[in-house]
Amino acid sequence: QKEVEQDPGPLSVPEGAIVSLNCTYSNSAFQYFMWYRQYSRKGPELLMYTYSSGNKEDGRFTAQVDKSSKYISLFIRDSQPSDSATYLCAMRTGFQKLVFGTGTRLLVSP
Amino acid sequence: ETGVTQTPRHLVMGMTNKKSLKCEQHLGHNAMYWYKQSAKKPLELMFVYNFKEQTENNSVPSRFSPECPNSSHLFLHLHTLQPEDSALYLCASSQEGGGWTGELFFGEGSRLTVL
Repeated sequence: QKEVEQDPGPLSVPEGAIVSLNCTYSNSAFQYFMWYRQYSRKGPELLMYTYSSGNKEDGRFTAQVDKSSKYISLFIRDSQPSDSATYLCAMRTGFQKLVFGTGTRLLVSP
Repeated sequence: ETGVTQTPRHLVMGMTNKKSLKCEQHLGHNAMYWYKQSAKKPLELMFVYNFKEQTENNSVPSRFSPECPNSSHLFLHLHTLQPEDSALYLCASSQEGGGWTGELFFGEGSRLTVL
């Protein structure tokens, strides 16, 4: 079993849709949860960071962590074509290096 | 130059060639990383350097040889590679220490093709 599972997609949605991206994990010791966004031919960049459980909102983006279910989500409201990218979840314990998911490719059509 | 820069952006090499990838970070960070990114696979950590000292080698084959002459520069020397080594090689840096969130700053990557 992989430590972090993420559907590679692609996920295709029309402009304006609400997008839900998800990851599940097996290591209950993970405490720090991140979402990175990677545009084509670019390196990943940090989009959202959450410590422990709960929700965090930043503009159109909401990160949600449910530690009891070992499940994290990224919601994008009013999606735009510029949101088309690959979204990678990443997480770590207090001591280990980041463990990444495979990334989900998102395509938002005008 | 700002952020993390990687050269070359694209590299094609034969299995018997020797080449090097270069990474430079302009962020004043104390840690640098090499990752391998292959299609439909998670980012694979290869090497970590803290203050120029290698602190992690993730069971990487010896045909990949890292070098970190100072805290701003990182190289990945390549020799006698295999076609399955074709991938995007990403360099990253971070400021590790108290309160570190785990954020990594990535370069744009070097796309390697081994013929």
